[in-house]
Amino acid sequence: QVQLVQSGAEVKKPGASVKVSCKASGYTLSGYYLHWVRQAPGQGLEWMGWINPNSGVTNYAQKFQGRVTMTRDTSISTANMELSRLKSDDTALYYCAREKSSGYGNFDYWGQGTLVTVSS
Amino acid sequence: QSVLTQPPSASGTPGQRVTISCFGSSSNIGSNAVNWFRQLPGTTPKLLIYTNIQRPSGVPDRISGSKSGTSASLAISGLQSEDEADYSCAAWDDSLNGWVFGGGTKLTVL
Repeated sequence: QVQLVQSGAEVKKPGASVKVSCKASGYTLSGYYLHWVRQAPGQGLEWMGWINPNSGVTNYAQKFQGRVTMTRDTSISTANMELSRLKSDDTALYYCAREKSSGYGNFDYWGQGTLVTVSS
Repeated sequence: QSVLTQPPSASGTPGQRVTISCFGSSSNIGSNAVNWFRQLPGTTPKLLIYTNIQRPSGVPDRISGSKSGTSASLAISGLQSEDEADYSCAAWDDSLNGWVFGGGTKLTVL
C-alpha cells in the first residue's frame, strides 16, 4: 500500500538549517508531484511548495523562496525539504503529501509529519 | 493570517446537517477549484472533497461540497460523533502562484 514515511523530530537553533526526508513506498515516486505543507501549533495548514520528482522541477511558495530547497533521489524513492535560516516561528509539524493528479491539489497520501522545533 | 477565511468553529447535534464556509477572492476560489480536508485530533489531514464536488473513494455521500463565486461550502449531513474534527479548505491562488489554505474550522458534535 502507498506510504510516505518521514524522518524524525528535529530541534534546531535559530539561524540553523533543517532537512526533512520523505520516503515513498507502494508507488513510484517519480509518478506524482510531491508537496510540502506545514502546520504551526494550533494553526492552519500552510503550503510550502512542490517538486516534480520525475524532472526535479520545483515551485516554492513566495513566502519561502530563498530559504527552502526541495530535492529528490529517485534511486531511493525519497524526497527532501531543507529550510534554512530558521526562526522561532518555523516551529511546526512538516508534512509531505502526494498529489494524485497534477494541478488538482488532491493530496491523497500524507506523511506522518515531522516536528521541527526552533529554540535557542 | 490565512488567505482563505473560515469560521473558527461550528457545531451540530447527531443526525443534523451542518455546513462550513470558506471565503476567498477572485484570484483563488473565484477562478479555481476548491478542495476540503479533514483532520482528526492528532492525525494527518485527509482529503474529503476535490475540484469543488468530487469525493475520493471511501468518502461517504453524506459529505458534499459546493462553490459559488468566491466562496465555497462543505456540508455534512447525518452528523456523527466521529465527524468531530478540524476542516480546512484549499485552492490554487493565481496571484501567489501557489496553494492557499483556510485557517480551519473545528467542528464539535454536541
